[in-house]
Amino acid sequence: DAGVTQSPTHLIKTRGQQVTLRCSPKSGHDTVSWYQQALGQGPQFIFQYYEEEERQRGNFPDRFSGHQFPNYSSELNVNALLLGDSALYLCASSLPGNSIQYFGAGTRLSVL
Amino acid sequence: QQPVQSPQAVILREGEDAVINCSSSKALYSVHWYRQKHGEAPVFLMILLKGGEQKGHEKISASFNEKKQQSSLYLTASQLSYSGTYFCGTEGAGSYQLTFGKGTKLSVIP
Repeated sequence: DAGVTQSPTHLIKTRGQQVTLRCSPKSGHDTVSWYQQALGQGPQFIFQYYEEEERQRGNFPDRFSGHQFPNYSSELNVNALLLGDSALYLCASSLPGNSIQYFGAGTRLSVL
Repeated sequence: QQPVQSPQAVILREGEDAVINCSSSKALYSVHWYRQKHGEAPVFLMILLKGGEQKGHEKISASFNEKKQQSSLYLTASQLSYSGTYFCGTEGAGSYQLTFGKGTKLSVIP
């Protein structure tokens, strides 16, 4: 059984560019959450997708947007990249009605 | 609001015990504990729901005091494999957001 998979693993962008990160949840999981983890910090909740809708959003600007597809996979889009957006972006999936998070290995984004 | 974890870091010799604390200023529905090894994804350890129950996972257990909004993670007879950063994540009633603390870095040495 494949776990949560994320792509790409690493990405380098310049300020002002846009980026799309992708996530495939574990089999049987219908909910996907995205987190930003800065170096030496805990994961920070960006938003959660369920039934193709954004169900809850953390304290992140509108530059961060997402999408969930009918097969439960998800994308995270970040527009107008800032240097401060450099971080590890983690995707986590969960079972229906369960809050336990199963994390992917993450995408390391560097903004130059 | 972000829960506060203590200590920030701890070094143990194999076989020693440790306690990691997590405290929140808001009413909690549940507390999660995860461990993240360097360069890897966080891995779920256990979840505690309000009610003060204590859960165990091999030699790792945890408690949740809902009156004080505090949780503690107990690591008994530590092994080298316990090394990593431990995060607590808190969830409020009616919320789908998991809010993580800054983490406690645990190093177990021979």
